[in-house]
Amino acid sequence: DIQLAQSPSSLSASVGDRVTITCRASQSISIYLNWYQQKPGKAPKLLIYAASSLQSGVPSRFSGSGSATDFTLTISSLQPEDFATYYCQQTYSTPRTFGQGTKVEIK
Amino acid sequence: QVTLKESGPVLVKPTETLTLTCTVSGFSLNNTRMGVSWIRQPPGKALEWLAHIFSKDEKSYSTSLKSRLTISKDTSKSQVVLTMTNLDPVDTATYYCARLHISMVRGLITDFLDSWGQGTLVTVSS
Repeated sequence: DIQLAQSPSSLSASVGDRVTITCRASQSISIYLNWYQQKPGKAPKLLIYAASSLQSGVPSRFSGSGSATDFTLTISSLQPEDFATYYCQQTYSTPRTFGQGTKVEIK
Repeated sequence: QVTLKESGPVLVKPTETLTLTCTVSGFSLNNTRMGVSWIRQPPGKALEWLAHIFSKDEKSYSTSLKSRLTISKDTSKSQVVLTMTNLDPVDTATYYCARLHISMVRGLITDFLDSWGQGTLVTVSS
């Protein structure tokens, strides 16, 4: 199975900050990497697919980059509604796998 | 409008079999660009991918749970069913189904989970 390691596991940031979350794959997965946002008590929501494609309706302050084994989710200017947990997921092979999550908290 | 809704028991005893149903609307399970995945999340923990099924009945399972899981679909009812045998308290989790959308991006065929059900909490306890 392909393992995904996210870092950091959690972070504290202020509104307006630029936030970067990384996801490292245990082997090369090309651009087969998606990002999801989950708020407490809610289902996850797709933000980014294929490493850098923004899902329809998602604010442009979210962006994704990377390929092969190293990927990044960036929030250019953190908004109050962005405090949540973020997960990466690989779709290069089955079984599909998720990272362990990164919790973004208010500083 | 695409919707998915999970249904099934809220409480299951250890060693029993869990059957969860995902009823979908707004898309067809016959659509070759669509599939359905099951994902679970124990309280306070990360997402865990369980299984998926595509329109032509192609299936895939979590390596660690493969021996206990079965996924199937009834296209006429717009339902995808997941069964898990030999339940244990560690299987206590919120179980989600989600639409698997196949798309071509920059020349590559990929997929992503673009619509999710609200989830159903299943507790395994005697």
